Amino acid sequence: QKEVEQNSGPLSVPEGAIASLNCTYSDRGSQSFFWYRQYSGKSPELIMSIYSNGDKEDGRFTAQLNKASQYVSLLIRDSQPSDSATYLCAGGSRMTTDSWGKLQFGAGTQVVVTP
Amino acid sequence: DAGVTQSPTHLIKTRGQQVTLRCSPISGHKSVSWYQQVLGQGPQFIFQYYEKEERGRGNFPDRFSARQFPNYSSELNVNALLLGDSALYLCASSPLDSLIRYGYTFGSGTRLTVV
Repeated sequence: QKEVEQNSGPLSVPEGAIASLNCTYSDRGSQSFFWYRQYSGKSPELIMSIYSNGDKEDGRFTAQLNKASQYVSLLIRDSQPSDSATYLCAGGSRMTTDSWGKLQFGAGTQVVVTP
Repeated sequence: DAGVTQSPTHLIKTRGQQVTLRCSPISGHKSVSWYQQVLGQGPQFIFQYYEKEERGRGNFPDRFSARQFPNYSSELNVNALLLGDSALYLCASSPLDSLIRYGYTFGSGTRLTVV
């Protein structure tokens, strides 16, 4: 079992609609979670971080964290063609003497926003 | 402010050769991490360095090594290259004390192709 799992997609979303991305994790020691956006051939770009249960909103993006269910989600409202990318979910491990906050990534969900 | 800078951007090597990749973190960031991203997968943790000391190592063979310099820049070395080492190598920096909130900022990466 992978430690961070995401649906690979592609997730096809009409322009202006809401894109909903899901992520589950197995490491209960994970303290914080991150959503990165990665355009084809480019490096990951951080778009949201969350470390408390509940919702966190930033512009058109809302991240949700449920530690009891080990579940993280990302909503993209008013989706635009420029949102077409792969979205990577990552969990940040707690800092120990062996590992200072390494990130464990899912394989990513490809989102395609159609005009 | 300059972001995380990596060099070279692209590299083609032959099996069995050795390669050195370089990274300069964001000014003020003392933590540098290295990740490998194979096509179609999420980034995989290789190393983390903080204050010139190794603070974490992923599940990679001893052919992979790294170091951090007094100016916090870093090098990743890979010996005896295999075809399977072909990947995007990402360097990430963090202020560490706010990692939980802000995660890592990635450089643009080095695309390594082993032939």
